[in-house]
Amino acid sequence: AQRVTQPEKLLSVFKGAPVELKCNYSYSGSPELFWYVQYSRQRLQLLLRHISRESIKGFTADLNKGETSFHLKKPFAQEEDSAMYYCAPDNAGNMLTFGGGTRLMVKP
Amino acid sequence: GVTQSPTHLIKTRGQQVTLRCSSQSGHNTVSWYQQALGQGPQFIFQYYREEENGRGNFPPRFSGLQFPNDSSELNVNALELDDSALYLCASSLDPQRGQFFGPGTRLTVL
Repeated sequence: AQRVTQPEKLLSVFKGAPVELKCNYSYSGSPELFWYVQYSRQRLQLLLRHISRESIKGFTADLNKGETSFHLKKPFAQEEDSAMYYCAPDNAGNMLTFGGGTRLMVKP
Repeated sequence: GVTQSPTHLIKTRGQQVTLRCSSQSGHNTVSWYQQALGQGPQFIFQYYREEENGRGNFPPRFSGLQFPNDSSELNVNALELDDSALYLCASSLDPQRGQFFGPGTRLTVL
């Protein structure tokens, strides 16, 4: 069965500290991998996707196929990064499997 | 962008409900998700060019429709208490570019 695990429900860091939000997945095939973010009182939105190898708002995500992980990282957290983050593999074209989410709190 | 109606809805157990979504213009795929409190969204089903082409682990009393005018519906029959959740609609054109989500409809079943 396809499964996505985000082991931390809450991650609290100080402004300027590095951040790593973990995501482990158990999947058949080679899914496309996404991170979605939900800021307070806003809708769920795409943060970044593995296929584009991009950095968005200073975030990058590293795919480790051997460990089946897709961790989200940022070297220096900002207060505006406080949000709910979801890891979401897509193995069948627009049919996302979401993890349980990690709430990131960046303290001043 | 993607819009959903209504914003909130209260129903009683056993009733039927219809939730509506208006996709981003030109998007040919719409997906529906259920998000229970404190959990990540769960995939219900997906429609592509008005045909269902994928379904998650949800019973047949969850059904949908997609119309040619960028609108779609999620219907739930015989509501149960556990159906209380936020229902999200998402539209897309290219799977590799991700999906665009609506604000959701919060359904409460009493």
